[in-house]
Amino acid sequence: DTEVTQTPKHLVMGMTNKKSLKCEQHMGHRAMYWYKQKAKKPPELMFVYSYEKLSINESVPSRFSPECPNSSLLNLHLHALQPEDSALYLCASSPAIGGTDTQYFGPGTRLTVL
Amino acid sequence: ELKVEQNPLFLSMQEGKNYTIYCNYSTTSDRLYWYRQDPGKSLESLFVLLSNGAVKQEGRLMASLDTKARLSTLHITAAVHDLSATYFCAVAVYNTDKLIFGTGTRLQVFP
Repeated sequence: DTEVTQTPKHLVMGMTNKKSLKCEQHMGHRAMYWYKQKAKKPPELMFVYSYEKLSINESVPSRFSPECPNSSLLNLHLHALQPEDSALYLCASSPAIGGTDTQYFGPGTRLTVL
Repeated sequence: ELKVEQNPLFLSMQEGKNYTIYCNYSTTSDRLYWYRQDPGKSLESLFVLLSNGAVKQEGRLMASLDTKARLSTLHITAAVHDLSATYFCAVAVYNTDKLIFGTGTRLQVFP
């Protein structure tokens, strides 16, 4: 199994809603990442988890709350989002922090905030 | 602060032609990656370049790295329509796992 899965594929939410994005990998990778990608722009790093601990937070607003319950699973909890948060949210994993391997990306969740 | 620039931003090329995409970065790094993204899809890893002079080839694509010039190139040989996609280079902030992506090059190959 060499893939990263993400659910849901699409999500529409209001500004007062609470929702969660889920990411899963079964490659034994110990590093997991959340990226945000706006249309026609490059991905931007949001969070990095290493061995289930948060190692990088790119000054992301607190309305985005990451969680890594175990080494295979990464969640992104969303609360009180703004319309400008609408984007493609990509999860990625890599074998380990500090390694030279590529990051493997999931298919993404396309989020629309109304 | 690491900055990554790609050019061109958009490339329209005829099938069978050759072209090169350039990726410049501003500070020392120990890793550079190339990814491909089809419209509405995720990123697919193409190449990992780790050392000065590294060259990797896969099919019609060849990537190289010059760490002294802080420059990587992605060369397309005899383009075919299937290569139409957006190509990103991504440079690792030295000694971290943070990747900074270039602006992307949207490649369109026409008959």
